[in-house]
Amino acid sequence: DADVTQTPRNRITKTGKRIMLECSQTKGHDRMYWYRQDPGLGLRLIYYSFDVKDINKGEISDGYSVSRQAQAKFSLSLESAIPNQTALYFCATSDHMNTEAFFGQGTRLTVV
Amino acid sequence: DQQVKQNSPSLSVQEGRISILNCDYTNSMFDYFLWYKKYPAEGPTFLISISSIKDKNEDGRFTVFLNKSAKHLSLHIVPSQPGDSAVYFCAASVGEKLTFGTGTRLTIIP
Repeated sequence: DADVTQTPRNRITKTGKRIMLECSQTKGHDRMYWYRQDPGLGLRLIYYSFDVKDINKGEISDGYSVSRQAQAKFSLSLESAIPNQTALYFCATSDHMNTEAFFGQGTRLTVV
Repeated sequence: DQQVKQNSPSLSVQEGRISILNCDYTNSMFDYFLWYKKYPAEGPTFLISISSIKDKNEDGRFTVFLNKSAKHLSLHIVPSQPGDSAVYFCAASVGEKLTFGTGTRLTIIP
């Protein structure tokens, strides 16, 4: 089993719909992150959480929200999806920012 | 404002030769640098890192060099192997934030 599991792997949704991307990890790490990858822009941080009671905005949090349901679970929601949120989304965990981060396999989201 | 830049979107290298991937940064406060490798349909995986107090770190075929005065980071892979074909991201951190570059697609030619 993968250390970091993202569901779904692929999703097509319509503009205006609410969608949730889920992430679970078995690493036992406190820190979890959501990134999006766009061609030519690399990976950009959306939200991050250092423990269950801690949620922080990243550089591109507008239009997104997150929930840290447990140490092992961190979900990302798009309340009203728009086409420019079409991207590849990655969840990651680490025990510290400056150490190795473990990434999930990604969720390819298409908003039509 | 792109604080971490990888100016070469792609690079092709013959098998057995040295691959050199470059990364430039603008924020002098960055104190830790990392390289990640990404295969298609997979998440990035950690490759190697270096602290700002060092200028070189080596791990097998992979060596990372840091030139703080030039704000430049490079990854050397020698010898290059077909399995090294992937997208490589450099990343830099200050405090709790990690900033990624845009990636370089490395293709190893057999």
